[in-house]
Amino acid sequence: QVQLVQSGAEVKKPGASVKVSCKASGYTFTTYHMHWLRQAPGQGLEWMGIINPSGGTTSYAQRFQGRVTMTRDTSTSSVYMELSGLRSEDTAVYYCARYVEYPYSYFDFWGQGTLVTVSS
Amino acid sequence: QSVLTQPPSVSGAPGQRVTISCTGGSSNIGADYDVHWYQQLPGTAPTVLIYGNNYRPSGVPDRFSGSKSGTSASLAITGLQVEDEADYYCQSYDNSLSGAWVFGGGTKLTVL
Repeated sequence: QVQLVQSGAEVKKPGASVKVSCKASGYTFTTYHMHWLRQAPGQGLEWMGIINPSGGTTSYAQRFQGRVTMTRDTSTSSVYMELSGLRSEDTAVYYCARYVEYPYSYFDFWGQGTLVTVSS
Repeated sequence: QSVLTQPPSVSGAPGQRVTISCTGGSSNIGADYDVHWYQQLPGTAPTVLIYGNNYRPSGVPDRFSGSKSGTSASLAITGLQVEDEADYYCQSYDNSLSGAWVFGGGTKLTVL
């Protein structure tokens, strides 16, 4: 069965960086794109970016350009999201989500979420 | 401010029918991109409820249905049950510079 297991909660100081991992299992890792999304406390879902696990190509939401880096490791079937220059507004639960593209394109499996708290 | 607009909350009694609207624009729903709906139970990750405007993944009861017309979409839930109490999000794709994959702000369903 498809599983996306994310790394544990993090507490970071303003200005620091955080790297969240997402380990996939139950399917061929390189066959599906992976997205990262986040949800601030009491708020809605926000798309951050996408990575193609096959070639490693990425595309980021404009508001995160220059601060986010998404990578993958095919040997461990894992994707990573690193966010730098953290500020209090980055406090959120971060999710990885698998993207199915045919015949319809949507997020069919999600990780359990990783809470990142930014506080001095 | 979300690209797609949803009502913040809806409510209904057990057994009743409720609908949740999702309004977009010419660069997303109106550009013929599909709408998908996700259910988020308290303290958990979202799960897909409706994909491709009106298709249900296996395991989702047929009490849930979706529709799309013009620049809007709707999620209907019939025969409300207590366990339906959750947050619901619509999602589509936007071809403008504001971003690619976009969501509604979410609707909190309360079963009275």
